[in-house]
Amino acid sequence: GAVVSQHPSWVICKSGTSVKIECRSLDFQATTMFWYRQFPKQSLMLMATSNEGSKATYEQGVEKDKFLINHASLTLSTLTVTSAHPEDSSFYICSAREREGIYEQYFGPGTRLTVT
Amino acid sequence: GQNIDQPTEMTATEGAIVQINCTYQTSGFNGLFWYQQHAGEAPTFLSYNVLDGLEEKGRFSSFLSRSKGYSYLLLKELQMKDSASYLCAVVDSNYQLIWGAGTKLIIKP
Repeated sequence: GAVVSQHPSWVICKSGTSVKIECRSLDFQATTMFWYRQFPKQSLMLMATSNEGSKATYEQGVEKDKFLINHASLTLSTLTVTSAHPEDSSFYICSAREREGIYEQYFGPGTRLTVT
Repeated sequence: GQNIDQPTEMTATEGAIVQINCTYQTSGFNGLFWYQQHAGEAPTFLSYNVLDGLEEKGRFSSFLSRSKGYSYLLLKELQMKDSASYLCAVVDSNYQLIWGAGTKLIIKP
């Protein structure tokens, strides 16, 4: 089956620093990748959608200058949280869709970010 | 606006059957997913319905009625490991996934 990996699985950083999270599709090429954020006991919140080779589409209320997304290849997308603050502490999950017309999203294991 | 409703929390007994309902109002419909999410983990795929009716897959079944904007996930022979959140998500006319808030299922011995 389709496998999506994320790295790191958890990270602790100091306020004001930047953190990069990688999302990789291991056995398929992902035309589209999605980045979600999930706070404790809440549902998934879509942050942005990225297509390979083009700029990401951000959801309303998500700061594109703070959450930098790069979908450099068909197997790799990165999310960089710039100048992180404690309120950015959350569970960040990526998912990948194999191609247009395939609606199922394969999820990565998630990255737990704690900003101190 | 687009809206997906699920109960916030349900409790059931090990070995029993539980039905988790999902109602939706979306701009267009291109299918409905059910995902399972254990605490601290990412969601995993359970089922996809695009036509009306019941789809059975082992202990889990999913039902869809497009005319009623309604789906349910049926879990049989409940096991303790089934304690998790169950997320309903609808594919809208723009082929985007619209997520429900999830139903936390608690299984008691």
